[in-house]
Amino acid sequence: EVQLLDSGGGLEQPGGSLRLSCAASGFTLTGYDMTWVRQAPGKGPEWVSAISRDGDGTTYADSVKGRFTISRDNSLKTLYLQMNSLRDEDTAVYYCARSQGNWYFDLWGRGTLVSVSS
Amino acid sequence: EIVLTQSPATLSLSPGERATLSCRASQNINNYLAWYQQTPGQAPRLLIYDASNRATGIPARFSGSGSGTDFTLTISSLEPEDFALYFCQHRYNWPLTFGGGTKVESK
Repeated sequence: EVQLLDSGGGLEQPGGSLRLSCAASGFTLTGYDMTWVRQAPGKGPEWVSAISRDGDGTTYADSVKGRFTISRDNSLKTLYLQMNSLRDEDTAVYYCARSQGNWYFDLWGRGTLVSVSS
Repeated sequence: EIVLTQSPATLSLSPGERATLSCRASQNINNYLAWYQQTPGQAPRLLIYDASNRATGIPARFSGSGSGTDFTLTISSLEPEDFALYFCQHRYNWPLTFGGGTKVESK
């Protein structure tokens, strides 16, 4: 089955760190650019970060720049999001999603919840 | 940053009725707009890309139109499974942004 399995969320204190993972199943990860999108409770989605299919190109939303790092290991078919210096406003469900090069997202993970609270 | 404004916030309709959803961009984005559907507890599903192209497997009752700054998603005849949240998203430049959403609810 073609799917993305995102994981790694949890409860963390402000200033803490988490690493999210997104495992690709049923398709070749190298064929796709990838992204992370988050959605706070009751809000619309917010794009967080994107990475090119070979991993050489990355880009970030201003709200996470300098704190979050996106990466991928195509041999392991896995996308990552390292989140440092977490803030209350980072609380959201985080989704990984794939793009066929046009930066629209045709496949999404089920989401992993990140809660930042003291 | 391009702001996408969706209207109305909520649309109350009955099954079989026509739904018309709007997405307005704060600047020209050509036709670089997508529409997604989201049901509670689920990830978004791509419906329309490049303003008017249906994604794979999307029923013909969903159609998109528009270019520049004004875009429309039309559901020609609502099915029970169409009552959901709908978001637009542009890909004109970075950062990508999404609209605030329109909830289509059953009257």
